[in-house]
Amino acid sequence: DSGVTQTPKHLITATGQRVTLRCSPRSGDLSVYWYQQSLDQGLQFLIQYYNGEERAKGNILERFSAQQFPDLHSELNLSSLELGDSALYFCASAPGGTGYSPLHFGNGTRLTVT
Amino acid sequence: GIQVEQSPPDLILQEGANSTLRCNFSDSVNNLQWFHQNPWGQLINLFYIPSGTKQNGRLSATTVATERYSLLYISSSQTTDSGVYFCAVGPFGGYQKVTFGTGTKLQVIP
Repeated sequence: DSGVTQTPKHLITATGQRVTLRCSPRSGDLSVYWYQQSLDQGLQFLIQYYNGEERAKGNILERFSAQQFPDLHSELNLSSLELGDSALYFCASAPGGTGYSPLHFGNGTRLTVT
Repeated sequence: GIQVEQSPPDLILQEGANSTLRCNFSDSVNNLQWFHQNPWGQLINLFYIPSGTKQNGRLSATTVATERYSLLYISSSQTTDSGVYFCAVGPFGGYQKVTFGTGTKLQVIP
């Protein structure tokens, strides 16, 4: 058990809908990273938060947004969903924000858009 | 951005065999990690190794930062080692994204 909790485990929704994925980092970790894993794109970095502030941005679509709350949990909001958004979404946490520490991943949320 | 290449892309081993997986990266890094994604999709952190050598049981890893590569050694492989092995790197400087390679898919057969 990595200590990173992601909910829900599975999500099935229709095109055009909006969903929210939730992540609770390991106790003491201040950084949260979001990744998308699809069959044809591998593991793509979406966004990183450190202690409530956005710190690095990757290939995150404008339809997607995220935030980290004062209690350090994070949410990834996906809107106007398309079939191509079907993927496994991972959250990872780390103690610091500059990359000098290992990432620990949650078990992911499998999103299916029909 | 930094490029990460892993080889081989696919590997089939007989149980008990040894293997070496390679990760090449295109720029200096302050963060290099090896992960195992098991058949159930879980990503397990194996090593945090921006430089030097580490060992954990049958697994060991070596990173030669000056030559921009890292190696993961698996000895006496077991069927539970099957899955995909990813290398992930983060460049020097500030808050930077951690980039994953495309992975090596390992299948260990009894």
